[in-house]
Amino acid sequence: AQTVTQSQPEMSVQEAETVTLSCTYDTSESDYYLFWYKQPPSRQMILVIRQEAYKQQNATENRFSVNFQKAAKSFSLKISDSQLGDAAMYFCAYRSGTNDMRFGAGTRLTVKP
Amino acid sequence: DAGVIQSPRHEVTEMGQEVTLRCKPISGHDYLFWYRQTMMRGLELLIYFNNNVPIDDSGMPEDRFSAKMPNASFSNLKIQPSEPRDSAVYFCASSLRRQVRAFFGQGTRLTVV
Repeated sequence: AQTVTQSQPEMSVQEAETVTLSCTYDTSESDYYLFWYKQPPSRQMILVIRQEAYKQQNATENRFSVNFQKAAKSFSLKISDSQLGDAAMYFCAYRSGTNDMRFGAGTRLTVKP
Repeated sequence: DAGVIQSPRHEVTEMGQEVTLRCKPISGHDYLFWYRQTMMRGLELLIYFNNNVPIDDSGMPEDRFSAKMPNASFSNLKIQPSEPRDSAVYFCASSLRRQVRAFFGQGTRLTVV
């Protein structure tokens, strides 16, 4: 099965600064999807951004962008102009061509005022 | 649509008792996932269904765990007998294959004492 690794259990950032969360994955497939989900204390899982493996262009959603390096199997999330509301657990996820969906262990992001 | 609905939100039970967690996916979705979230292991995929058929249950920890999807609008996850180490938050998620992203329920926090 594919594995997803998030090597940073915790990260912190100053409000208005930029932070990058790391994610690597292991797969032998060429067609797949990658996601970042946010989980605030409410426990709700919120989709932040997604990337199709066949697209070379990095996905962007407002202050959130990714650096997708397919050869290196790396998918990092950059949060610009961090806000207090960005504080949450962030999960990287991989969805294969066979459609199972697996998550990393998560990174807890703290935003300091 | 009301989204993915899970019940109960919280469950406290004694060791050895049977526990049933319920999930109603978004109408029309053809994939349903069950995940378990713990501090130590993050989000683990337990099992997923496609068109009500279990596709991969390799993540089910042991025979005490079982999941069924009798129809397109309902799935349950049973633990019998329950043990304290089963304490976790259990999430159900559904998706349409062509949409790729998964929509999550609010989760069930299970505590086995």
